[in-house]
Amino acid sequence: DIQMSQSPSSLSASVGDTVTITCRASQDINTYLAWFQQKPGKAPKSLIYAASRFYSGVPSKFSGSRSGTDFTLTITSLQPEDFATYYCLQYSAYPYTFGPGTNVDIK
Amino acid sequence: EVQLVESGGGLVQPGGSLRLSCAASGFTFSDYYMDWVRQAPGKGLEWVGRGRDKPNGHTTEYAASVKGRFTISRDDSKNSLYLQMNSLKTEDTAVYYCARRGDRDSSGYYYDFDYWGRGTLVTVSS
Repeated sequence: DIQMSQSPSSLSASVGDTVTITCRASQDINTYLAWFQQKPGKAPKSLIYAASRFYSGVPSKFSGSRSGTDFTLTITSLQPEDFATYYCLQYSAYPYTFGPGTNVDIK
Repeated sequence: EVQLVESGGGLVQPGGSLRLSCAASGFTFSDYYMDWVRQAPGKGLEWVGRGRDKPNGHTTEYAASVKGRFTISRDDSKNSLYLQMNSLKTEDTAVYYCARRGDRDSSGYYYDFDYWGRGTLVTVSS
């Protein structure tokens, strides 16, 4: 199975900050990586697919990139509604696997 | 508007069975692959399995943790996806979400997991 590691596991940031979250795949997954945002008690919200493409309606403050087996999600100009947990998912091979998540909270 | 609504969750004893449903609307359900994803209380997301569309034989894929115990099926005439869960364990306690694999974009990439339901809670406890 493909393992996904994610760092950091949590971070504290201020409104207006730019933050970067990284996921690393245990093997090549091409660009079959998605990013999701989840708030407590809510379903995940899809942000990025194919490593760097936006789902409909997602603001451009969210961006994704790939370097080999490392993937990053960057969030610019953090707003109160962006404080949440973020997950990556590889869908290159079954079984699909999520990263453990990164909790972004207010400093 | 695309909507996915899960139902069927509840309290069940270890070793018991439960069937979850996911009712789809706002799109041609029969044309799409569908997934189940779960989240144990206070934990991260875990992919459970996928059900393919009719042209792909309604075939399925599963996570190792549920393979042989859970079965994904669908009734395209009712726009519904199902998750039959047997031999339930306490570690199956979770909120279960259904999600859709969307269309291809202009470059040929699928919008995997583009829509999610709100989830249904399954509690396995004696």
